[in-house]
Amino acid sequence: EAGVAQSPRYKIIEKRQSVAFWCNPISGHATLYWYQQILGQGPKLLIQFQNNGVVDDSQLPKDRFSAERLKGVDSTLKIQPAKLEDSAVYLCASSFWGSSYNEQFFGPGTRLTVL
Amino acid sequence: GQQLNQSPQSMFIQEGEDVSMNCTSSSIFNTWLWYKQDPGEGPVLLIALYKAGELTSNGRLTAQFGITRKDSFLNISASIPSDVGIYFCAGYPGNSGGSNYKLTFGKGTLLTVNP
Repeated sequence: EAGVAQSPRYKIIEKRQSVAFWCNPISGHATLYWYQQILGQGPKLLIQFQNNGVVDDSQLPKDRFSAERLKGVDSTLKIQPAKLEDSAVYLCASSFWGSSYNEQFFGPGTRLTVL
Repeated sequence: GQQLNQSPQSMFIQEGEDVSMNCTSSSIFNTWLWYKQDPGEGPVLLIALYKAGELTSNGRLTAQFGITRKDSFLNISASIPSDVGIYFCAGYPGNSGGSNYKLTFGKGTLLTVNP
């Protein structure tokens, strides 16, 4: 079974530029998550999708971050414009269902550096 | 929001030694999870705990869900070099409801094993 795929794996941009990350979850997983992991910290949930609907985006900085999952499968996370403090690893995860009894499977992440 | 205090921050041990790490919170959690993250990869679930007092093993790993629901520990016995990595505790807070479960992570314990 293929795991969660993410691209690109690395991205370096200047502040105020835009960037987009892509995630393809495990086939059949209805729930998709985007996490931000700053160096030395645990992952922090940014947004959770159930199929193509948002169920939690309370920690997403909506003035600059946006995410979509148009057909309930792949998802993109965008930052526009980027700030220095956005430097982090952005992890995508998916689970069969959005309850605590379903394991979240994580992708390898995209490491973003903002200069 | 809920915070998880994970300790120690880092450990440096000799191959063959046992290691213990723990996680505490000021509020109750319904589920405790332990993840391992290797460099350049996403976290991988090691053990999941669903009931207060539960003790679960996975090979050389043993974890327990504290009886107060505010803490958990992870033990690794007879450590080997491939145990190197960052171990995260994570949990679903006790006030989560419905289908909106937000996984909260600790800051991680960096384990180094000297061959």
